[in-house]
Amino acid sequence: DTGVSQDPRHKITKRGQNVTFRCDPISEHNRLYWYRQTLGQGPEFLTYFQNEAQLEKSRLLSDRFSAERPKGSFSTLEIQRTEQGDSAMYLCASSSKTGTKSNEQFFGPGTRLTVL
Amino acid sequence: AQSVTQPDIHITVSEGASLELRCNYSYGATPYLFWYVQSPGQGLQLLLKYFSGDTLVQGIKGFEAEFKRSQSSFNLRKPSVHWSDAAEYFCAVGAWETSYDKVIFGPGTSLSVIP
Repeated sequence: DTGVSQDPRHKITKRGQNVTFRCDPISEHNRLYWYRQTLGQGPEFLTYFQNEAQLEKSRLLSDRFSAERPKGSFSTLEIQRTEQGDSAMYLCASSSKTGTKSNEQFFGPGTRLTVL
Repeated sequence: AQSVTQPDIHITVSEGASLELRCNYSYGATPYLFWYVQSPGQGLQLLLKYFSGDTLVQGIKGFEAEFKRSQSSFNLRKPSVHWSDAAEYFCAVGAWETSYDKVIFGPGTSLSVIP
């Protein structure tokens, strides 16, 4: 399977715990995005990487959230001291740009987080 | 800044009937537009996209959409709906920001199909 993969698919945690999600983009894609989707809503942008550089962060991304893409391949999203309001689906997407506009983002299946 | 509205939260159609899902966008320049579909527990799959050129865009699974600049709309259509089309549909508008491709999603329309 050469699509975007995410791990785990589901995570249940207690309030105050830390969680980490992983995203493996399509191998030749240099752009990686994280989104958050709550029930009945469309995905909301969280952050963006071009290669290993984190170039954009949404105001939705509080200080408890941190994302990395250390070698420009896979990415991790960590949430510290989780709160019940963090319960959502966390989606990862990747895209490529080869000198011309190429904005189609390919999405992974998401990680559903439930904070008890 | 871009924004997207999808006026219909939920639509129910009979199998074999035609379908039109509405999408209106707000953006100061020429946008690029997408329709994605999401089945329960799944990620988003791209149905079609408009970047430029022909305003009637053909997509996968028999879907098409028409870009109407004067109405700021990008409605999705399908002539005959199948039961497997039941899903959540998201319209999205994108723009080339200085550092990244910013895509804003609408709230989605949930489609139910009656046998």
